[in-house]
Amino acid sequence: EVQLVESGGGLVQPGGSLRLSCAASGFTFSSYEFHWVRQATGKGLEWVSVVTIAGDTYYAGSVEGRFTVSRENAKNSLYLQMNSLRAGDTAVYYCTRNRDNSGWDVWGQGTAVTVSS
Amino acid sequence: QSVLTQPPSASGTPGQRVTMSCSGSTSNIGSHYVNWYQQFPGTAPKLLIYKNNQRPSGVPDRFSGSKSGTSASLAISGLRSEDEADYYCAAWDESLTGAVFGGGTKVTVL
Repeated sequence: EVQLVESGGGLVQPGGSLRLSCAASGFTFSSYEFHWVRQATGKGLEWVSVVTIAGDTYYAGSVEGRFTVSRENAKNSLYLQMNSLRAGDTAVYYCTRNRDNSGWDVWGQGTAVTVSS
Repeated sequence: QSVLTQPPSASGTPGQRVTMSCSGSTSNIGSHYVNWYQQFPGTAPKLLIYKNNQRPSGVPDRFSGSKSGTSASLAISGLRSEDEADYYCAAWDESLTGAVFGGGTKVTVL
């Protein structure tokens, strides 16, 4: 079964750090680019970052310089290192995949991040 | 404020046709594919339309997408109660070097 499973969310104080993971299974991980998308409670979807097949990375302006996305093909895993967290980063974080501009066709179940003192 | 503009709500009675728009600019919709996602409360989004008008396998042909210039639209024909959900458009934006979403349209079946 094709699957993405996020983990690593939780409660963190403002200014703190958290590392999210996304474990992939059921497909050839190295053939896809991966994105992180987040959604605050009651709000719309917000794109966060992407790591391409080649390992290039891009970020939304709101997280640039604070978040780092990476992939480990040997472990079929995607990561999001989040530093200097702010209340505005509170959201459910989803990982999703894309290939050949065919849309984000598989999504994880999401992992909740709460930034609060 | 979202980069892509969607109406916040749309509604119709069962069997009707409902359409929703997604307006952008030359740096996103005007030069890249538009994808549409359906989301039910408390669940992950689901890909509904990709490359402007392509349906993934398993998506009913009641759903259709189109694009013209810097705007796109999603249509639901033969509206059903199970179509009540939030719908988001998305595209790559080359000026921002990132993906952008619309604010979402909540579809209500009356």
